[in-house]
Amino acid sequence: DAKTTQPPSMDCAEGRAANLPCNHSTISGNEYVYWYRQIHSQGPQYIIHGLKNNETNEMASLIITEDRKSSTLILPHATLRDTAVYYCIVRVATYNAGNMLTFGGGTRLMVKP
Amino acid sequence: ETGVTQSPTHLIKTRGQQVTLRCSSQSGHNTVSWYQQALGQGPQFIFQYYREEENGRGNFPPRFSGLQFPNYSSELNVNALELDDSALYLCASSLARSSGGGGTDTQYFGPGTRLTVL
Repeated sequence: DAKTTQPPSMDCAEGRAANLPCNHSTISGNEYVYWYRQIHSQGPQYIIHGLKNNETNEMASLIITEDRKSSTLILPHATLRDTAVYYCIVRVATYNAGNMLTFGGGTRLMVKP
Repeated sequence: ETGVTQSPTHLIKTRGQQVTLRCSSQSGHNTVSWYQQALGQGPQFIFQYYREEENGRGNFPPRFSGLQFPNYSSELNVNALELDDSALYLCASSLARSSGGGGTDTQYFGPGTRLTVL
């Protein structure tokens, strides 16, 4: 799976949009971009994933550049409960078993009042 | 729909002992993956079970072993515990299919088991 690069930490004001960047310049055509977050000492929580098109769900939006070499996770109105480590993961698109997740260092997002 | 559950929540063992951790997959899922997360690091893949067989393994020694049962629940066993085995152990379930058709499975994680080895 392709490697990803994320800033180690970011701050965001409560109520403002949090934009978390991820670089995946070596991504292949059959690889998805996945985002998870982990609140302190809890299991990672799935947020969203996408292949080419921008995606939105009740938690966040995922913007993928046209060349697919980078993406941005957007939390539209950050709250204190969004303080967590956010992981961007690139993963082969397959329903076959054996498809693991490779976690990097992630971005520690601190939402401040 | 029930989520992924793990037991126990916390566990303390001494060096050299053996431990068994348990995971119940989310309803409708048939695959279980196990990860180890040391303090301050991201989760590391241990292995995955599909159709009751190990299907993919990370860089972990043989003293890490597992089982998957017909109801898709799973166990992680660690023998001869070492101090460095102290970590948060995470289980994730997903739905894998043998046929193609595009798309991808999504792994959903449980709350984890915190293992401390003294």
